Amino acid sequence: EAGVTQFPSHSVIEKGQTVTLRCDPISGHDNLYWYRRVMGKEIKFLLHFVKESKQDESGMPNNRFLAERTGGTYSTLKVQPAELEDSGVYFCASSQGWGNLHFGNGTRLTVT
Amino acid sequence: DQQVKQNSPSLSVQEGRISILNCDYTNSMFDYFLWYKKYPAEGPTFLISISSIKDKNEDGRFTVFLNKSAKHLSLHIVPSQPGDSAVYFCASDTGNQFYFGTGTSLTVIP
Repeated sequence: EAGVTQFPSHSVIEKGQTVTLRCDPISGHDNLYWYRRVMGKEIKFLLHFVKESKQDESGMPNNRFLAERTGGTYSTLKVQPAELEDSGVYFCASSQGWGNLHFGNGTRLTVT
Repeated sequence: DQQVKQNSPSLSVQEGRISILNCDYTNSMFDYFLWYKKYPAEGPTFLISISSIKDKNEDGRFTVFLNKSAKHLSLHIVPSQPGDSAVYFCASDTGNQFYFGTGTSLTVIP
């Protein structure tokens, strides 16, 4: 089975620009999570979708971040406008029910 | 506020010896713990887990120990192999979200 895929793998943008990250979970996985790792710190929770509904978005840093999961399949995470502190690796993960998380390889975002 | 802590950012071990990675947590409500392994440029992959009703779980060369009273868990790898060199993340699953530690970078020296 195909794993969790994320696109792009790298993105370099200037402060104030917009970036959209995409995640395709494993087919059939209802749970989709976004995480972020900044500068070697912990992998921090951003939000959790169950199908197309946001189950928990308590980790979203501010309203510059918008996540969607239309139709309960792939998800996008948009950062608009990007700030320097948004730089980091954004991981998407999916799971079926209470199963263990399956992570994508991440998108490395650099804001200059 | 970090609820899962890995206080050792790095560890070096000789091949064949035991690697011990430690993790502490602060939330007494946590009842399920996992270890993930991460290679460079890849996402974390699940390694082993333990429920709070147990104090030990073993899978091949990997054993996780849980000390609930001390809010401490550890991952033992024995014997360590060069392919085990990676960053190891401790995590707790509350059923709604996972909390991760900062990771410990393990280097196994041939």
